[in-house]
Amino acid sequence: NAGVMQNPRHLVRRRGQEARLRCSPMKGHSHVYWYRQLPEEGLKFMVYLQKENIIDESGMPKERFSAEFPKEGPSILRIQQVVRGDSAAYFCASSPVGTGELFFGEGSRLTVL
Amino acid sequence: AQRVTQPEKLLSVFKGAPVELKCNYSYSGSPELFWYVQYSRQRLQLLLRHISRESIKGFTADLNKGETSFHLKKPFAQEEDSAMYYCALSTGNQFYFGTGTSLTVIP
Repeated sequence: NAGVMQNPRHLVRRRGQEARLRCSPMKGHSHVYWYRQLPEEGLKFMVYLQKENIIDESGMPKERFSAEFPKEGPSILRIQQVVRGDSAAYFCASSPVGTGELFFGEGSRLTVL
Repeated sequence: AQRVTQPEKLLSVFKGAPVELKCNYSYSGSPELFWYVQYSRQRLQLLLRHISRESIKGFTADLNKGETSFHLKKPFAQEEDSAMYYCALSTGNQFYFGTGTSLTVIP
């Protein structure tokens, strides 16, 4: 099992462009979580998804940010019209059905110029 | 609302000294608590969970429901323990993380 895979590992965008971050959960995991890590601020929850459903998006900014986890393919976190404040590391984690351990990806580091 | 508090952003101890990383939580239900660790250039990984009541790499953590705490302890710190430590609360399918404590073990 390759573990949670995130790509790209590093992404550079100019202000106003779009950023798409992908997360492939571990095989057999149907729960995906996205977290943002800002310097000095630890991990902040953004969104929790199951296949084709957004379960909890209370941590997502109301504008410009969206997430999906389609029936086939990876989960995608999309940030439109990026601003400098979006620069951060974005981590994806997956878990099997129910509670238990979260398995993290290596993160995607977004830099907005 | 659920909340996890780690009051120390930075913690430095000498090698061989005891170490305690504090974690307090607020949750009205029955909590499931975890400690995750991120070593330099590695992904975040589970260190231990309260329900297993086991010691991992010499670390232990006891859930104190009266004080709503889940402090992480190790009697003798090692240099390889230097890392970022996150306390996490699960309320079912949702996980909430503290802001993390960066532990540095001084040789």
